Amino acid sequence: DAGVIQSPRHEVTEMGQEVTLRCKPISGHDYLFWYRQTMMRGLELLIYFNNNVPIDDSGMPEDRFSAKMPNASFSTLKIQPSEPRDSAVYFCASSPGGSQPQHFGDGTRLSIL
Amino acid sequence: AQKVTQAQTEISVVEKEDVTLDCVYETRDTTYYLFWYKQPPSGELVFLIRRNSFDEQNEISGRYSWNFQKSTSSFNFTITASQVVDSAVYFCALSADSSYKLIFGSGTRLLVRP
Repeated sequence: DAGVIQSPRHEVTEMGQEVTLRCKPISGHDYLFWYRQTMMRGLELLIYFNNNVPIDDSGMPEDRFSAKMPNASFSTLKIQPSEPRDSAVYFCASSPGGSQPQHFGDGTRLSIL
Repeated sequence: AQKVTQAQTEISVVEKEDVTLDCVYETRDTTYYLFWYKQPPSGELVFLIRRNSFDEQNEISGRYSWNFQKSTSSFNFTITASQVVDSAVYFCALSADSSYKLIFGSGTRLLVRP
């Protein structure tokens, strides 16, 4: 079984550019989560979806961040415009039920210059 | 508010030693879930175990064991006869029916020296 697939694995871009991170959850998983990992703040949730509907977006830093899940097999996290402080590893995770274990993708390492 | 505390920032042991990683949690929910994840140097997050708040039975899986004690709000993780491949950062995490987002501790970096 394929795990959670994230792309790209690495992204380096200049401040002010739009960044789009992509995630394909495990088939059959109804929940999809976006997390960010930084040295200063550790691992923190940005947003999660249930059946493609956003449930909790309290972790989205500001209006520059947006996330969508147009169908059960695809989600995007967009940052526009990007800033150096957005540099982090962004993880996508999915689970078959809300309380079930979340399975993580390999992450996208984002560097904003 | 929910919170997870991993007071040990870094632990260094020699191979074959036993090591315990501590985790203390706070929550007002009566139904909650506790997890441990491993993050090896390659960076991925690997699920190790999940317990729910109604199941205080300790669990053993090979060299790994977990001790859940509601009375002290702790969910500790022990590695028996540690190996170099156990070197990683280990995260304890909490979620609840009020929100399924994982609240992570700050992690414990374990270094197992040959």
